[in-house]
Amino acid sequence: NAGVTQTPKFRVLKTGQSMTLLCAQDMNHEYMYWYRQDPGMGLRLIHYSVGEGTTAKGEVPDGYNVSRLKKQNFLLGLESAAPSQTSVYFCASSKRGGSGANVLTFGAGSRLTVL
Amino acid sequence: AQTVTQSQPEMSVQEAETVTLSCTYDTSESDYYLFWYKQPPSRQMILVIRQEAYKQQNATENRFSVNFQKAAKSFSLKISDSQLGDAAMYFCARANAGGTSYGKLTFGQGTILTVHP
Repeated sequence: NAGVTQTPKFRVLKTGQSMTLLCAQDMNHEYMYWYRQDPGMGLRLIHYSVGEGTTAKGEVPDGYNVSRLKKQNFLLGLESAAPSQTSVYFCASSKRGGSGANVLTFGAGSRLTVL
Repeated sequence: AQTVTQSQPEMSVQEAETVTLSCTYDTSESDYYLFWYKQPPSRQMILVIRQEAYKQQNATENRFSVNFQKAAKSFSLKISDSQLGDAAMYFCARANAGGTSYGKLTFGQGTILTVHP
C-alpha cells in the first residue's frame, strides 16, 4: 500500500522555467492538498481539491496552478519559477466528511530549488 | 487570520525524561480539531495525536498526551519517557470542523526537539 506518492523528490530549476509536481494516492480519498514548508513558517496550504475536476485556493496560491483530472492524482504546476518558490512541497490526502476529513496522509515531500 | 503559534523554536530533553511542547491558537469557531504532527529527519509527516475541541477529555496515545485548555486556546504536548526516536520537528495544527472545512489544516511554525542520551 503506497499511500501518497510524490514525484520528483528533488528538482533544481532556473528562474523562469516551468515544472509540474505529481501527487498520486491509492486510498480512494476525496480530498487532496498541496502545502509548502519553509523554515520558521511551518506548512502553508497552496491549493486543495475536494473532488475530481474541482480545485480551490489555499493560503498562498500565487504563482501556482493545480489540476485534478483523475481522483487519484493532483498536479501542482509552476509556470514561471521564481527563487521565492524554493521550498519543500508536500502533497496530502484525506477522506471526505466527518472526522476523517481532518486525518491527512502526507507524501514524503519534494524539495524544489529555484536558482 | 486564524493562527497557530508555537513559541518554542527548540527544546531539549534527556532520554527517559518528560518534556512539554507549547502551542496556542486563535479561532472564532466553537468546534474544531487540534493536532500534533512529528517530522523526523526523513521529512515524513506523522500524526502523533488528535483532539476534538468539543471533547473535554485530553487525548492520549501511549507516551504522548495533551493538555487542552479550550478557554485559554492552549494545546500542549507532553512526551513521557522520552526516547532517542522522539527527536524530530513537532508541528501543532488546527482545522475547523463541519462539512465545509474540507480538512484544511493551519500549522504552527514548529518546535525542534532534541533528545540527549
